[in-house]
Amino acid sequence: QQPVQSPQAVILREGEDAVINCSSSKALYSVHWYRQKHGEAPVFLMILLKGGEQKGHEKISASFNEKKQQSSLYLTASQLSYSGTYFCGTEMGGATNKLIFGTGTLLAVQP
Amino acid sequence: DGGITQSPKYLFRKEGQNVTLSCEQNLNHDAMYWYRQDPGQGLRLIYYSQIVNDFQKGDIAEGYSVSREKKESFPLTVTSAQKNPTAFYLCASSRYRERLFFGEGSRLTVL
Repeated sequence: QQPVQSPQAVILREGEDAVINCSSSKALYSVHWYRQKHGEAPVFLMILLKGGEQKGHEKISASFNEKKQQSSLYLTASQLSYSGTYFCGTEMGGATNKLIFGTGTLLAVQP
Repeated sequence: DGGITQSPKYLFRKEGQNVTLSCEQNLNHDAMYWYRQDPGQGLRLIYYSQIVNDFQKGDIAEGYSVSREKKESFPLTVTSAQKNPTAFYLCASSRYRERLFFGEGSRLTVL
């Protein structure tokens, strides 16, 4: 039930755009996105609830297609500070509060 | 300041020893979680608790134990049955079905 992320890694130049995908085989209630720098705790980016909602956070936005059980994270005009590993976390329907994370996407932004 | 405190930050264990990682939160959150992270890997759920005196196994609970006697505390014991305990351990808390707040993590090394 672990969500699958793609790509596994991506290298960008400053100012370029990137898309990170997260796919689940189970029906989802919500999708979370976090970014983690090496050796640090993950930092919350956004949460999307079922309903096809799209959210934005500065130049980072995300979409959630509940019918396809997929979410995508869009990074626009990337900055050096965007480097890190991005994780999606998925929560299924029902009364559970259980969040399962994907394997992560390593993003490196170069000058 | 409200937040989650994990201790110790670094811990060394000899083979055959049990060790306990502390996690305390003052955010008044009902849900608490323990995740394990190995180098280059994602976050894998060990245990989670939605309410005091109740907790559920995650995907990799074997060799670990937890308790939830108080709302603010969720300690994790790594037992000698855990054959490969060297990892980065992250504690988190949340309100029901909301974003996770993470502690700074505890790095456990087996000597």
